Amino acid sequence: SAVISQKPSRDICQRGTSLTIQCQVDSQVTMMFWYRQQPGQSLTLIATANQGSEATYESGFVIDKFPISRPNLTFSTLTVSNMSPEDSSIYLCSVDGTSGQETQYFGPGTRLLVL
Amino acid sequence: GDSVTQMEGPVTLSEEAFLTINCTYTATGYPSLFWYVQYPGEGLQLLLKATKADDKGSNKGFEATYRKETTSFHLEKGSVQVSDSAVYFCALSEQDDYKLSFGAGTTVTVRA
Repeated sequence: SAVISQKPSRDICQRGTSLTIQCQVDSQVTMMFWYRQQPGQSLTLIATANQGSEATYESGFVIDKFPISRPNLTFSTLTVSNMSPEDSSIYLCSVDGTSGQETQYFGPGTRLLVL
Repeated sequence: GDSVTQMEGPVTLSEEAFLTINCTYTATGYPSLFWYVQYPGEGLQLLLKATKADDKGSNKGFEATYRKETTSFHLEKGSVQVSDSAVYFCALSEQDDYKLSFGAGTTVTVRA
């Protein structure tokens, strides 16, 4: 399985500001995903980060609020823009496993608190 | 659309007790089914998976069998330990699609 790191691991931010979260994988992967886990809730997929093209967003999530970059096969960023307290969540990136196994491996998450 | 329904928690057990967490799913095709675990303060880890009907996934003493006839993937462990205290998530992905749909999660606390 891939080793995934995220930065920052946690942050406290003021409303109206933006935070960029980085996800780094130790090997090249085809697919990278960004999830949100709101307090006491399950995980919700935000978007699929596509290398060399725009991310594919799920219903309820838009590029202006959550811009995503995927410059290569080992790195992606998620920005949470113009934050409000409702954005307080854990943000997780995940990657696909070995081709065809349909298994995702998750990073440790970024805990965000917006005041 | 796809969905996963999990037994609501929290669940509190004594050490060496039997654990079952129910999970049922709705999917249009032939999904792969997963159990993920989130230990306190840690990230999400894959616990086990099954990719076709009647497959049994197993790991760390946990088991789950893919039951197509009942659209279920219940998680079981015969004798839990305090270290099994965690949040357990059932999830599915449709065939040829990596996107995961998660259940609500079940918090399990095991007391010594």
